[in-house]
Amino acid sequence: DADVTQTPRNRITKTGKRIMLECSQTKGHDRMYWYRQDPGLGLRLIYYSFDVKDINKGEISDGYSVSRQAQAKFSLSLESAIPNQTALYFCATSFRGSDTGELFFGEGSRLTVL
Amino acid sequence: QKEVEQNSGPLSVPEGAIASLNCTYSDRGSQSFFWYRQYSGKSPELIMFIYSNGDKEDGRFTAQLNKASQYVSLLIRDSQPSDSATYLCAPYTGGFKTIFGAGTRLFVKA
Repeated sequence: DADVTQTPRNRITKTGKRIMLECSQTKGHDRMYWYRQDPGLGLRLIYYSFDVKDINKGEISDGYSVSRQAQAKFSLSLESAIPNQTALYFCATSFRGSDTGELFFGEGSRLTVL
Repeated sequence: QKEVEQNSGPLSVPEGAIASLNCTYSDRGSQSFFWYRQYSGKSPELIMFIYSNGDKEDGRFTAQLNKASQYVSLLIRDSQPSDSATYLCAPYTGGFKTIFGAGTRLFVKA
């Protein structure tokens, strides 16, 4: 089983619908992140959380919200999906005590907004 | 200017050749640098990490860092078809917030 699990892996939805992408991890890491990836733009940070009570906006947080339900769970919501939110979304984790800040990624959630 | 600049490629090299991937960054506060490899349809995985000026070698991979020039590179010796992937440069500026370049696609021809 993957250490960082994302659900759903694929989702097709319509403009205006509310969508939640979920992420859970068994690595015991305290820090969790949501990135989106678009062709030619690389990975862009949406939100990050350093612990359950800490939520921070990243580069592109508009149109998104997050919830850190527990140390192991971090959800990303699109309150009213729009077509330009069509992308590949990655959840990632890291460990506060790490020397490097290495990120460990989930397998990705491909979202298509029609 | 983007924070991290990489040539999008594709960079095509024959099997056995040296592949050279380059990255420039704008934030002089960047403390260390990651290279992640991402196979098509998969998630990124860390392959190299460097924080000191100079070279760092790990098997067929060598990372080179020049902080004065704000330049970091990745050399892949004896390139294999299995090295065909997108390589993401990611400076780390502290606070555990990593910014990624758009990546360079590498294609190794058998």
